[in-house]
Amino acid sequence: QKEVEQNSGPLSVPEGAIASLNCTYSDRGSQSFFWYRQYSGKSPELIMFIYSNGDKEDGRFTAQLNKASQYVSLLIRDSQPSDSATYLCAVMLVGMAGNNRKLIWGLGTSLAVNP
Amino acid sequence: DGGITQSPKYLFRKEGQNVTLSCEQNLNHDAMYWYRQDPGQGLRLIYYSQIVNDFQKGDIAEGYSVSREKKESFPLTVTSAQKNPTAFYLCASTGRETQYFGPGTRLLVL
Repeated sequence: QKEVEQNSGPLSVPEGAIASLNCTYSDRGSQSFFWYRQYSGKSPELIMFIYSNGDKEDGRFTAQLNKASQYVSLLIRDSQPSDSATYLCAVMLVGMAGNNRKLIWGLGTSLAVNP
Repeated sequence: DGGITQSPKYLFRKEGQNVTLSCEQNLNHDAMYWYRQDPGQGLRLIYYSQIVNDFQKGDIAEGYSVSREKKESFPLTVTSAQKNPTAFYLCASTGRETQYFGPGTRLLVL
């Protein structure tokens, strides 16, 4: 059973601080990793994806991937109250023939940014 | 205005009734997915389709059915066999490897 694990939280940080969200995955062959944000009652929206080891930055967001440790993280710099949401980590699972692509989802980490 | 649309936003089901949730996309994506999300829970895959006229069961397909007659459309039917249908239903489509979601349909049982 392929798994993606996240701490459920809640993670509470003060406004302006760095929020660090972590995710581990079990399938060593995984190649694609995604972070989504979900506000209460809304559908998930894509924040970032990362394929290569190392860091990928997009504005206030940085995704970090370490395939050897099977670990992917999301850093949010200068956290704002509007960042308060659940953050979902997802890993792409690809079938043996290169088809049947589907995402394996973590349960999400709840983030609260306090003014 | 490109994207994924789902209708209705809210749907009420009576006991023993089949209901169909609509999902349409104009992103020219081949793959489409249906998820169920229960309060405080993660996303669970119901059915997915990689190409027109083909679909596969996900982790919780029992009590649900789908069709994929057109690339743009992937409707989900919640049958009377699904005994606990109250949930938030999310449709998604994938371009290359990035998955995008519709706004969701909230299904409630009367």
